[in-house]
Parts: sequence; C-alpha cells; structure tokens
Amino acid sequence: QVQLVESGGGLVKPGGSLRLSCASSGFTFSDFYMSWIRQAPGKGLEWVSYIRSSGDNIYYADSVKGRFTISRDNANNSVYLQLNSLRADDTAVYYCARGPFSRLQPYWGRGTLVTVSS
Amino acid sequence: EIVLTQSPGTLSLSPGERATLSCRASQSVGSRYLAWYQQKPAQAPRLLIYGASTRATGIPDRFSGSGSGTDFTLTISRLEPEDFAVYYCQEYGSSATFGQGTKVEIK
Repeated sequence: QVQLVESGGGLVKPGGSLRLSCASSGFTFSDFYMSWIRQAPGKGLEWVSYIRSSGDNIYYADSVKGRFTISRDNANNSVYLQLNSLRADDTAVYYCARGPFSRLQPYWGRGTLVTVSS
Repeated sequence: EIVLTQSPGTLSLSPGERATLSCRASQSVGSRYLAWYQQKPAQAPRLLIYGASTRATGIPDRFSGSGSGTDFTLTISRLEPEDFAVYYCQEYGSSATFGQGTKVEIK
C-alpha cells in the first residue's frame, strides 16, 4: 500500500534552517509529481511546493520563494524540503503528498511539525 | 491561479440531517481534478473524494461528490456524529490550491 513518511521537523530559532524528508513506498515514485503542503496552527491548508518527476518543473508559494528548496531522489523514493531563513509564520505541520497532476488517488503523509521560535 | 471559494463558512446541522457543501472555482477545473478532504482537530486531512466524484478507499457511501467546470458539491446524505469536522476542497490539475474550508458543526 502507498505510504509517505515525513521526518526532520522540530524546534528552530528564527533565521535557522531545517531539512524535511519524505520517504515513500507502495508506488512507482518516479511516475509522480511530489508536493509539500503545510498547515499553520488554527489555519487552512497551503500548498508550499511541488516538483515534477524529472525535477524540471518546480513550484513555490510566494510565501516561501527564495527561502525553501524542494528536491527529490528517485533512486531512493524520497522528496526533500530545505527550509532556510525560517520565520515564526513558517510554524506549521508540513505534509508530504503524492501529486498534483495525477488522476490517480492522492496520498498524504501524517505530517511533521516545524516550530520556529526563540 | 485558480481560486476556490467554499460556502457556507459554517454549517450547523443535527445528526441524521443531509449536508451540502459547495466549492466554486474562479476558472474551469480541467478533467475534474477536484478533491474533498475532512479534517478533525489534531489530525491530518483525510481524503474523501477525488476526481470530483470518486470515493477514496474505505470512505462510506454516505459521502458523495458531484459537479464539473466551476461548481462542485460534497454531499453527506445522513450526518453521523463522527462527520462533524472541517471540510476542504482542493484543485490539483493546474494551479494546486485549496478552498478556505467549511466547518460542519452540531446544531
């Protein structure tokens, strides 16, 4: 069955960095776009970034452009999100997701919490 | 970018009643790339519907999705106590966006 497992969250000071990882299994990873979606406490869902299977089509939300970098390793079925210059408003649960742009069922991981605080 | 507007913001209903949630897109959603999620406090969103009308694995048949183009609907035929939650629509065919959510609360 499809599984997505995020890791790498934690407490970091403003201006700091973190690298989130998402390990996937149960599907042909290289056939799909992969995404990071976040949800700040008490807020709605925000699509942060996505990357095409070949790595040549990447999207970033305006709120993270220039600070976050998405990447993937198709050999290891993993997608990553490098978070730099973190701010308090980056505090959120970050979810890894399969998609977008596929007609097959979307899948999400359970999320990893990033807290930015001094 | 496609903007999704959900209505109403809050729906107050009793168990056993029918719930109808709306999601309107600012442009046509191609090939029905529209999904619905349910979220309860401190839980990850749970996929209910994708492709506008296909129930996800394990989702009870009281949940149904319909619509095309710019107007989509999630219907819960008879509310169970566990259905009181926040519901989000998602477009994933062109601009990857979410609606702002509809809260279904107990009346």
